[in-house]
Amino acid sequence: SQTIHQWPATLVQPVGSPLSLECTVEGTSNPNLYWYRQAAGRGLQLLFYSVGIGQISSEVPQNLSASRPQDRQFILSSKKLLLSDSGFYLCAWSATGLAGLLHEQFFGPGTRLTVL
Amino acid sequence: DAKTTQPPSMDCAEGRAANLPCNHSTISGNEYVYWYRQIHSQGPQYIIHGLKNNETNEMASLIITEDRKSSTLILPHATLRDTAVYYCIVSVSGTASKLTFGTGTRLQVTL
Repeated sequence: SQTIHQWPATLVQPVGSPLSLECTVEGTSNPNLYWYRQAAGRGLQLLFYSVGIGQISSEVPQNLSASRPQDRQFILSSKKLLLSDSGFYLCAWSATGLAGLLHEQFFGPGTRLTVL
Repeated sequence: DAKTTQPPSMDCAEGRAANLPCNHSTISGNEYVYWYRQIHSQGPQYIIHGLKNNETNEMASLIITEDRKSSTLILPHATLRDTAVYYCIVSVSGTASKLTFGTGTRLQVTL
């Protein structure tokens, strides 16, 4: 069965510090991968998605970047965090091709980031 | 992607059916209706999706109007564990299905 992991679960960082959040998927190959952010009291906002290694699409201009160094690894980074980067960060995956799971996105447990 | 409109909150008694409405009057012909839910402090969970026809699975039923401008998610026998925020999303299914989450409907199931 497929599983998705995110770490860390919670993180408190000072303004101006770097950030690296990691997401890995097990049990599937060539997944589509996504990073979402949920600010307090708001809906989820899609930040990045990737359809393959090294292929990153950005949905909104921001202080963050994403990378996909391996097929099932997705990393969210920042060189200098802002207060507005606080939120709940969620990684998700979906199957590619004609598989029956094409419609469904599977979400990880999330990372709660507080920037002080 | 088309926008959706949902009521901000609803209450439902345990054991009764919960009917969650969604308006998507600008939906395109190739866009699907998806429903997800998010229990507090967890990632969203897929519930069901549909294009034109009504759909049913082990979790819920999805009723889509003939003109596709609105839909209703039905939880036939709500339990306390169904308390969550429910998101109605319309999106084209493709290589990467990009979902745009709104603020959803907060469903509170009570005893």
